Amino acid sequence: KNEVEQSPQNLTAQEGEFITINCSYSVGISALHWLQQHPGGGIVSLFMLSSGKKKHGRLIATINIQEKHSSLHITASHPRDSAVYICAVKVSRSRLTFGEGTQLTVNP
Amino acid sequence: SAVISQKPSRDICQRGTSLTIQCQVDSQVTMMFWYRQQPGQSLTLIATANQGSEATYESGFVIDKFPISRPNLTFSTLTVSNMSPEDSSIYLCSVGGQLGDTQYFGPGTRLTVL
Repeated sequence: KNEVEQSPQNLTAQEGEFITINCSYSVGISALHWLQQHPGGGIVSLFMLSSGKKKHGRLIATINIQEKHSSLHITASHPRDSAVYICAVKVSRSRLTFGEGTQLTVNP
Repeated sequence: SAVISQKPSRDICQRGTSLTIQCQVDSQVTMMFWYRQQPGQSLTLIATANQGSEATYESGFVIDKFPISRPNLTFSTLTVSNMSPEDSSIYLCSVGGQLGDTQYFGPGTRLTVL
């Protein structure tokens, strides 16, 4: 079993839909990252969470430390949101462990 | 924040050759990380490069195959040696790692080995 599990693996939505991507982890962590990877391969950090909730534009990330679970929400989704979304947890000062990623496709 | 550049952005190489990937950061950082992302998979940490000391390699990765240099606080190189088609991946460098820091990633080097 992977230390970090994401669901769903693939997600197709229509423009304007509300999207949720989930991440569960089985180890103690100091922080959790949500990353976005576009087809060219570049990765952008969206959020770094250690508790509670963060919001940036149409993106919202939440984390429940007790339940070892985090969610990434996208409101009013747009085709430009199409990307791979990766959950990564920081288990030590230096090490990140990554989920398999969720491929999101938003159709116009 | 940190801006990271990598060279080359992509390359196609022959089996048995070596390729050196460069990573440049626009600020001084203590730790730099090299990751591999094989096709269809998530990222795997190859090694952590600290300035002034030997790189620390993760299980399954060895210095002879992936030698790393870290001559100063803004620059690192990763060499993929004696390449085989299984080395075809995206290689990314990353900085960050202090507790609570955002993680920054380079644009990646897409390597294809024929």
